Amino acid sequence: KAGVTQTPRYLIKTRGQQVTLSCSPISGHRSVSWYQQTPGQGLQFLFEYFSETQRNKGNFPGRFSGRQFSNSRSEMNVSTLELGDSALYLCASSRETNTEAFFGQGTRLTVV
Amino acid sequence: GQQLNQSPQSMFIQEGEDVSMNCTSSSIFNTWLWYKQDPGEGPVLLIALYKAGELTSNGRLTAQFGITRKDSFLNISASIPSDVGIYFCAGEPNGSGNTGKLIFGQGTTLQVKP
Repeated sequence: KAGVTQTPRYLIKTRGQQVTLSCSPISGHRSVSWYQQTPGQGLQFLFEYFSETQRNKGNFPGRFSGRQFSNSRSEMNVSTLELGDSALYLCASSRETNTEAFFGQGTRLTVV
Repeated sequence: GQQLNQSPQSMFIQEGEDVSMNCTSSSIFNTWLWYKQDPGEGPVLLIALYKAGELTSNGRLTAQFGITRKDSFLNISASIPSDVGIYFCAGEPNGSGNTGKLIFGQGTTLQVKP
């Protein structure tokens, strides 16, 4: 069965622009969560969606937002990009709460 | 708080040796997960633990959920070159406000000398 798919794999954007990243979870998984990974801060939780509802949010500014569709696919959006937003953005899916979370390959975002 | 302290930060071992790494926290966790990440890739799930005291194996890997629910360890036996990578512990903190949220350790970088 297919794993978690994230698109695009690589992205280069200019400061001030906005970006949308996409995540398709494993079939049957209803929970999708997003993480930011940087060398300095490690893996940081952004937010989690379950059945189209945001259940939890990390300590990131409002420029970071997300949504989940009825087919469980999720998108995250970052507006007014800053240089510090350069990171590997990872999406994870799980069947239910408190079960194994499987990660996609990530989207490498570079802001110049 | 909800931080995970993972140690050691890095290890350089000889092929065939056993490896042990652990994560500790001052908070209680409901779930412990161990991941391996290769450069440029997403973390790959190795072992999932759900109950205090649980000991689970996956091939040469063994992990345990600490009895206090505040720690976990991962052992790798008879290491091989393909074990090279960064290993992360992750946990779902206890509490209703933490649903679906994983806290990650800082990672242990493992290098294996053939």
